[in-house]
Amino acid sequence: AQTVTQSQPEMSVQEAETVTLSCTYDTSESDYYLFWYKQPPSRQMILVIRQEAYKQQNATENRFSVNFQKAAKSFSLKISDSQLGDAAMYFCAYRFNSGNTPLVFGKGTRLSVIA
Amino acid sequence: DTGVSQDPRHKITKRGQNVTFRCDPISEHNRLYWYRQTLGQGPEFLTYFQNEAQLEKSRLLSDRFSAERPKGSFSTLEIQRTEQGDSAMYLCASSLRVHEQYFGPGTRLTVT
Repeated sequence: AQTVTQSQPEMSVQEAETVTLSCTYDTSESDYYLFWYKQPPSRQMILVIRQEAYKQQNATENRFSVNFQKAAKSFSLKISDSQLGDAAMYFCAYRFNSGNTPLVFGKGTRLSVIA
Repeated sequence: DTGVSQDPRHKITKRGQNVTFRCDPISEHNRLYWYRQTLGQGPEFLTYFQNEAQLEKSRLLSDRFSAERPKGSFSTLEIQRTEQGDSAMYLCASSLRVHEQYFGPGTRLTVT
């Protein structure tokens, strides 16, 4: 079974600084997608960034970028120029690219942004 | 607001009672998912609908749980004879494409 591990329960970053959240996953598949979701306090989860496993180029979305290391099964999220609004729970998720397989989530990392 | 909506947002019930939650997906999204999120954990998949057909069910979905999506529009999740272990956030998500799930705000269930 696929598993997703986030080894950092909590992280903090100073406003305007850069922070990296770690994620590792375990799978025997080669065709899959990886995601980072953000869940602000008492608000709904939103997709931050998505990476397709067959693409070697790391995905970027404005201040958010990933470091995808397929061989190491590692998928970290880098947030640059951190803002107060970035404070949230961040979940790493995996989806095997076949049929209607669901998302498999890690336990999350709580990110605090210090003004 | 045209996002995924869930009702109620909070539900407190006594052990043994039945509860029903509703999810309204984004219009024209044919895929609908239910997840459960307990404290300190990431969401865990419960069940999946494509249009009105329930195509996947997790082993987490015991016999006390039932979900429906009549006419492929809104969905309901019912829990019968609630137990304290059912206390969790129940999340609904919808999508048109498999790799883009949009989540609702969730229903927080507390079983006393």
